[in-house]
Amino acid sequence: GQNIDQPTEMTATEGAIVQINCTYQTSGFNGLFWYQQHAGEAPTFLSYNVLDGLEEKGRFSSFLSRSKGYSYLLLKELQMKDSASYLCAVYQAGTALIFGKGTTLSVSS
Amino acid sequence: DSGVTQTPKHLITATGQRVTLRCSPRSGDLSVYWYQQSLDQGLQFLIQYYNGEERAKGNILERFSAQQFPDLHSELNLSSLELGDSALYFCASSVGELYETQYFGPGTRLLVL
Repeated sequence: GQNIDQPTEMTATEGAIVQINCTYQTSGFNGLFWYQQHAGEAPTFLSYNVLDGLEEKGRFSSFLSRSKGYSYLLLKELQMKDSASYLCAVYQAGTALIFGKGTTLSVSS
Repeated sequence: DSGVTQTPKHLITATGQRVTLRCSPRSGDLSVYWYQQSLDQGLQFLIQYYNGEERAKGNILERFSAQQFPDLHSELNLSSLELGDSALYFCASSVGELYETQYFGPGTRLLVL
């Protein structure tokens, strides 16, 4: 089976750093993705991890530990436009990409 | 803009009706995926097509069907619509068949009254 857990909501202030955690249990692992989704809009691709470690891309970084079934998305220098839902997704065996329910991040000034 | 297009953007219909949603993948992408997103369920995978063939199936209802045409565009058909089918329907595409980054279209918002 497949289970992905992430916090429902988080709040932070402009300029701060926030870490969004994701834990997963999967029958087969073939990569973990983070997507950003603004309300009513399409999910947009942020990052991809298939090996353990940290992937950095500008203000966003993503970390993966396959042995722990754990990932996090780190957002630095938060901006108001970062207020959105952040979706963790894992490929299970057989190609389906399974999404967590998302973490709604609210950034305030 | 991901390069994936979906039509229509909005659709309002009545229970019992049938609708067709259309998706054109990014240029060069051979895989098309369909997802349903409702407030309480999150983003749910429905079905994947790769180069015209069904590749993977998720929790797609029997009332729903899809196909991918030779020009690689895809259609999702929803029939005998129920109130609970009201949702955002997203199409995504990727280059290959397995474990690839998916790029999402803008979605079709379906409201069943």
